[in-house]
Amino acid sequence: NAGVTQTPKFQVLKTGQSMTLQCAQDMNHNSMYWYRQDPGMGLRLIYYSASEGTTDKGEVPNGYNVSRLNKREFSLRLESAAPSQTSVYFCASSRSVREKLFFGSGTQLSVL
Amino acid sequence: QQQVKQSPQSLIVQKGGISIINCAYENTAFDYFPWYQQFPGKGPALLIAIRPDVSEKKEGRFTISFNKSAKQFSLHIMDSQPGDSATYFCAASSRSNDYKLSFGAGTTVTVRA
Repeated sequence: NAGVTQTPKFQVLKTGQSMTLQCAQDMNHNSMYWYRQDPGMGLRLIYYSASEGTTDKGEVPNGYNVSRLNKREFSLRLESAAPSQTSVYFCASSRSVREKLFFGSGTQLSVL
Repeated sequence: QQQVKQSPQSLIVQKGGISIINCAYENTAFDYFPWYQQFPGKGPALLIAIRPDVSEKKEGRFTISFNKSAKQFSLHIMDSQPGDSATYFCAASSRSNDYKLSFGAGTTVTVRA
């Protein structure tokens, strides 16, 4: 009954380091998303994958890359982390782009 | 800039009171308006949603009111309980934007016992 699983839950990086956030869902959903949540900004879409094999930019894609590894997994990579990328990152999935989102519990990332 | 403007940023209500959160939008193409509820340390979860063909939708103690002409919608939490203490996000999407959700900034609701 896992739903959407994100790893790691917490991460501290130094400016310029790289890392990959992992996300996996076990609901056989077609669509997957990466959001960032910042105080006073709500949730902003970074990238999404409407279906396996496709990825598209969201509202704030700069500094990020994604990979839809298979139907279950959707990873987010920071190639050269910057302090402006300090945020809480949420992965979400849905049966299709028209249906409700199921969110993971988030990754709290600090870039020093 | 945010396509959905949400207010207030936070509110405190006594147990049994009514919590009201308001959202406004400009994009008349929006045709789906969900509300998500987020507890501390958790991801958001869909609470209730409405489409513009109805003016009100009620699920238990939660009601969405929708005013298409004013381009506004609101969430009412009746008989607020301490367990309702959470952050609430309104959102909107449209077919023309691939159904991608635009979220409001969020409202933190605290219900005092």
